[in-house]
Amino acid sequence: DVKVTQSSRYLVKRTGEKVFLECVQDMDHENMFWYRQDPGLGLRLIYFSYDVKMKEKGDIPEGYSVSREKKERFSLILESASTNQTSMYLCASSSGQLYGYTFGSGTRLTVV
Amino acid sequence: AQSVTQPDIHITVSEGASLELRCNYSYGATPYLFWYVQSPGQGLQLLLKYFSGDTLVQGIKGFEAEFKRSQSSFNLRKPSVHWSDAAEYFCAVGGGSNYKLTFGKGTLLTVNP
Repeated sequence: DVKVTQSSRYLVKRTGEKVFLECVQDMDHENMFWYRQDPGLGLRLIYFSYDVKMKEKGDIPEGYSVSREKKERFSLILESASTNQTSMYLCASSSGQLYGYTFGSGTRLTVV
Repeated sequence: AQSVTQPDIHITVSEGASLELRCNYSYGATPYLFWYVQSPGQGLQLLLKYFSGDTLVQGIKGFEAEFKRSQSSFNLRKPSVHWSDAAEYFCAVGGGSNYKLTFGKGTLLTVNP
């Protein structure tokens, strides 16, 4: 089975800090995604990547950036964390839409 | 643009009762359709998917879903719910050359003993 690993389950950061959320997949998938999940809003796509060093903005990219230097790793960066970025962050990978996504367990980030 | 509507935010059923979760989609061509389940504090797990062929698809944990093109629907069903089915359920749509899936806002299922 494909495994998607997010490095932290819970994080607490201070306002203004630079925050890195890491995601690693072990099945050579081309496509990787970062979503945030908030009650009542469902999953909202932040960024995705369809190849190494390639990235595209999703629906809510403001305040975030991403990095994909290696195929297996996709990092989400909060340049200057703010309290409104407190959320559950979900990483996913896919070899194509036909196969659906495989999700990591999520990182619950609290910005204080 | 593709979209998904899950009309029910929260559903409560008794253990052993049947279940149907509704999903309506908007997509210009033949869609890829998915149902995912999320247990508290966890990521999403794929239950089943449809992309062509038989419109009734079987998934894991005893779930099934039926694709109805005329109604733009992909409802999830289970004949007898177990307490362990309590979770949040998400419907998603994709298709064509678009890399992205679009998710609904989810339906929270509570199971009463």
